[in-house]
Amino acid sequence: AQTVTQSQPEMSVQEAETVTLSCTYDTSESDYYLFWYKQPPSRQMILVIRQEAYKQQNATENRFSVNFQKAAKSFSLKISDSQLGDAAMYFCAYRSGSSGNTPLVFGKGTRLSVIA
Amino acid sequence: DVKVTQSSRYLVKRTGEKVFLECVQDMDHENMFWYRQDPGLGLRLIYFSYDVKMKEKGDIPEGYSVSREKKERFSLILESASTNQTSMYLCASRTDYNSPLHFGNGTRLTVT
Repeated sequence: AQTVTQSQPEMSVQEAETVTLSCTYDTSESDYYLFWYKQPPSRQMILVIRQEAYKQQNATENRFSVNFQKAAKSFSLKISDSQLGDAAMYFCAYRSGSSGNTPLVFGKGTRLSVIA
Repeated sequence: DVKVTQSSRYLVKRTGEKVFLECVQDMDHENMFWYRQDPGLGLRLIYFSYDVKMKEKGDIPEGYSVSREKKERFSLILESASTNQTSMYLCASRTDYNSPLHFGNGTRLTVT
């Protein structure tokens, strides 16, 4: 079974600075998808960014980018120019691409605080 | 915008009660999911459904059942609530395996 590990339960960053959240995963598959979700205090889970394993180029979405290292099975999230609204729980997630309706497997999350 | 609605934001129930958590989505999504979120444990999958009347066990199905009689509604049932089922419950849905997952706002259930 696939597992997703987020080794940082909590992180903090100064406003306007850059922070990187770590995620590693364990799989024997070659076809899969990786995600970062954000859960602010309102509890609404929001998709931040998605990466297809077959793509070598790292995904970016405005101030959010990933460093996808397939061989190392690492998928870190970089948040640039951090804003107070970035404070949230961040979850890394994995989905198998080799079969149809597979659910997402989530890590335990990293709580990010942004200091004004 | 896709809307996934969970019927209750907060719920308090007594041990032994039968509890229904309701989830409704308005975008004709095929797949629906129930996750449980606990501090330090992240999101764990309880049950999911590919389509109407279909259901699959997730990683922690014990003590739970589900019902999907209509495509838009996916109910999580705690047959006899216990204190270790005190948790945040998140419902999610998606069109198909390749589309984004949309979440509800969660139901924080307390069993006393």
